[in-house]
Amino acid sequence: EIVLTQSPGTLSLSPGERATLSCRASQSVSSSYLAWYQQKPGQAPRLLIYGASSRATGIPDRFSGSGSGTDFTLTIGRLEPEDFAVYYCQQYGSSPPRYSFGQGTKLEIK
Amino acid sequence: QVQLQESGPGLVKPSETLSLTCTVSGGSISTYYWGWIRQPPGKGLEWIGFFYYSGSTNYTPSLKSRVTISGDTSKNQFSLRLSSVTAADTAVYYCARQVVVGASPGLDYWGQGTLVTVSS
Repeated sequence: EIVLTQSPGTLSLSPGERATLSCRASQSVSSSYLAWYQQKPGQAPRLLIYGASSRATGIPDRFSGSGSGTDFTLTIGRLEPEDFAVYYCQQYGSSPPRYSFGQGTKLEIK
Repeated sequence: QVQLQESGPGLVKPSETLSLTCTVSGGSISTYYWGWIRQPPGKGLEWIGFFYYSGSTNYTPSLKSRVTISGDTSKNQFSLRLSSVTAADTAVYYCARQVVVGASPGLDYWGQGTLVTVSS
């Protein structure tokens, strides 16, 4: 089973700054199968990035994903107040089909 | 616009069976995969399993012996049953749709979630 480890656990930044969130897999993951989600308090997660680097419908272009193999990154180019939330990476395994999530990174206002 | 809505008891006694239903509107469950994910209070996300209208299912190994996901295309609903629950099964339960773009899957539509507490 592939384990996803996200870092840092909490990231404190100010609006306007750039955020870099990391997701490391315990073994190599196909870039096609890596996604990122945003979750605000009391809300369901929202799909941000799929296929490691493709933005989901309606996601602003300040959100970008990159990476391959075991190391993936979510970058938020210029933080807006509404971006402060918890972010999860997710991996899809095809044999057998299953999902696993990282433990999350909390992005908080400094 | 696809919408998902979870429903079911908010309180379940230990050792009993948790049963939830997800009603889908704005789209048919006869396309796509549909799944359940849960989140214990203050913790992260845990995928429970998938359902496809043909009857195909996949479950997370840690819950496989206790979980059943099934669907009713006539009602455009799918359901989760989790047997022999304990306090560790207390969580917000979400239903969601899996979309595949190219070769890349993702969960693009989610229900609002429903809190299920296991307590006597």
